[in-house]
Amino acid sequence: QKEVEQNSGPLSVPEGAIASLNCTYSDRVSQSFFWYRQYSGKSPELIMSIYSNGDKEDGRFTAQLNKASQYVSLLIRDSQPSDSATYLCAVTGSSASKIIFGSGTRLSIRP
Amino acid sequence: DAGVIQSPRHEVTEMGQEVTLRCKPISGHDYLFWYRQTMMRGLELLIYFNNNVPIDDSGMPEDRFSAKMPNASFSTLKIQPSEPRDSAVYFCASSRDRGRFGQPQHFGDGTRLSIL
Repeated sequence: QKEVEQNSGPLSVPEGAIASLNCTYSDRVSQSFFWYRQYSGKSPELIMSIYSNGDKEDGRFTAQLNKASQYVSLLIRDSQPSDSATYLCAVTGSSASKIIFGSGTRLSIRP
Repeated sequence: DAGVIQSPRHEVTEMGQEVTLRCKPISGHDYLFWYRQTMMRGLELLIYFNNNVPIDDSGMPEDRFSAKMPNASFSTLKIQPSEPRDSAVYFCASSRDRGRFGQPQHFGDGTRLSIL
């Protein structure tokens, strides 16, 4: 079992709709959770971090964390074509300094 | 504030040559990470340093790879001799120490390496 699992996609969402990206992780001691966005040919860029159960909102982005279910998600409201990218879920393991990345979900927003 | 700076941005070299990738982390960051990204394997952690000391090099694929961090503002990743299967994008990232809660990592623009 992979430590951080994501559906590779592609996930196709119409412009203006809500895009929902999901991630599960295997290490129960994980404390910190991140979502990165990576455009083709570019480096990963941090868009959200979440450390406690519940929802965290930042503009059109909402991160949701459920530690009991070992599940973290990212919602993107009012999806725009510029949101088309690969989204990487990242989780700390037993060492808080080391982040484990999922393989990413490719999101495509269709006009 | 300057981000993580990597050089070169692109490197094309022939098999068997030595390759040196360079990284300058964000000032004040305690941790430095080297990653390799390919379509097949995704983003793989190769090695990371804390306060210039290598902490975990379990991701380094083989003895042909080595990394150093002689001071807080500079690190190198060296491949000698290089092979075509080393072709990938190599990222350097840095972060602050935040105790038991991990800090997000900030990535450089990467070095696109092609070994012919």
